[in-house]
Amino acid sequence: EVQLLESGGGLVQPGGSLRLSCVASGFTFNNYAMSWVRQAPGKGLEWVSGITDSADNRYYADSVKGRFTISRDNSKNTLYLQMNGLRADDTAVYYCARDGDGDTYMLDSWGQGTLVTVSS
Amino acid sequence: QSALTQPASVSGSPGQSITISCTGTSSDVGGYNFVSWYQQHPGKAPKLIIYEVTNRPSEISNRFSGSKSGNTASLTISGLQAEDEADYYCSSYTTRSTFYVFGSGTKVTVV
Repeated sequence: EVQLLESGGGLVQPGGSLRLSCVASGFTFNNYAMSWVRQAPGKGLEWVSGITDSADNRYYADSVKGRFTISRDNSKNTLYLQMNGLRADDTAVYYCARDGDGDTYMLDSWGQGTLVTVSS
Repeated sequence: QSALTQPASVSGSPGQSITISCTGTSSDVGGYNFVSWYQQHPGKAPKLIIYEVTNRPSEISNRFSGSKSGNTASLTISGLQAEDEADYYCSSYTTRSTFYVFGSGTKVTVV
């Protein structure tokens, strides 16, 4: 069974930093691209960032480019999201999600999410 | 502002069929067969129910079906059941600055 477990969320002041982690199990982690998707309270889904299976390529939404960094450690089956320069509008539940394998684009498994609150 | 346009809400009675539309552009929905649909119950993570426009994961009921015409994709739920009451989001691969774009979401109510 595919499992994705996020952690690292919490309350942070504007301008602060947080690092989110997502531990994967139940599949061969280094065979899959991964993404972070967020959902502000009462709002819709927003794709934030993605990384290929070998970390050769990383992609970011314009709203986080230059502030967030995605990375992965395949030896630890773990995906990360380093978030710097946090703003109030970054407040959201952050989900990690597995991209489909091969030449397809879909998010076929999701974690339960971790809440990030940016407030003074 | 979401890149893909969905109706805010759709309702139906048990046993009926409903359809949710998802309108994009030639840079996303119209240009690629990489449209997916997600179901999200309150307080839960999204769940993939349709991928590559028409395909269903094996565990998803065949009451859910997808289609596409031009820049608009659609999700149809047939034989509506109380458990189908949830938020539904479309998504597409895009060649714009993001990698995936999501729709604004549609709340399905079973009345």
